[in-house]
Amino acid sequence: SAVISQKPSRDICQRGTSLTIQCQVDSQVTMMFWYRQQPGQSLTLIATANQGSEATYESGFVIDKFPISRPNLTFSTLTVSNMSPEDSSIYLCSVERSSGANVLTFGAGSRLTVL
Amino acid sequence: DAKTTQPPSMDCAEGRAANLPCNHSTISGNEYVYWYRQIHSQGPQYIIHGLKNNETNEMASLIITEDRKSSTLILPHATLRDTAVYYCIVSRRTDSWGKLQFGAGTQVVVTP
Repeated sequence: SAVISQKPSRDICQRGTSLTIQCQVDSQVTMMFWYRQQPGQSLTLIATANQGSEATYESGFVIDKFPISRPNLTFSTLTVSNMSPEDSSIYLCSVERSSGANVLTFGAGSRLTVL
Repeated sequence: DAKTTQPPSMDCAEGRAANLPCNHSTISGNEYVYWYRQIHSQGPQYIIHGLKNNETNEMASLIITEDRKSSTLILPHATLRDTAVYYCIVSRRTDSWGKLQFGAGTQVVVTP
């Protein structure tokens, strides 16, 4: 299965700033998914990122707050904009291991703390 | 997608089989049952999935009842490394496009 690297693994940020999280996959994949895990909570899908098109956002998430780039088939970034303490979460990148199977491989996540 | 119900926590003795139940009484005919786990400070890890037949792989076995309204994940010989939150998810295999709806899961603690 694919190996996913996320950067940064953790960061502490100030309110009002923005942070970009990088996700690198060791093989070409069609779709990449960004999930959020708030403290003590389960995972929630933020958006799906396809190469060459705009990301598709889930209800409750908007492009202005979470802009996503997908410049090629192995890389994606998620930016958390104008951060507030409520954005303190773990952000995880994932990819499907085989088409249409919903078998996902996840990165280790990026733990973001906003002060 | 159908919702699932899992016990919030379970304890298991090391070396014993761990049987994790999941109820999904509203599952539809084209929905699969997926199991993932999340070890502390790691991303979720896929374990196994199935439609209606029992499935087994190197990690676990999945037993789905004949009416498909519930299932059990079996870890045959639990080790301390199996301590994790286990998620039971019901989803269509195609056109869900990675949209897995994670619930609260079951916190499994394996003790020596």
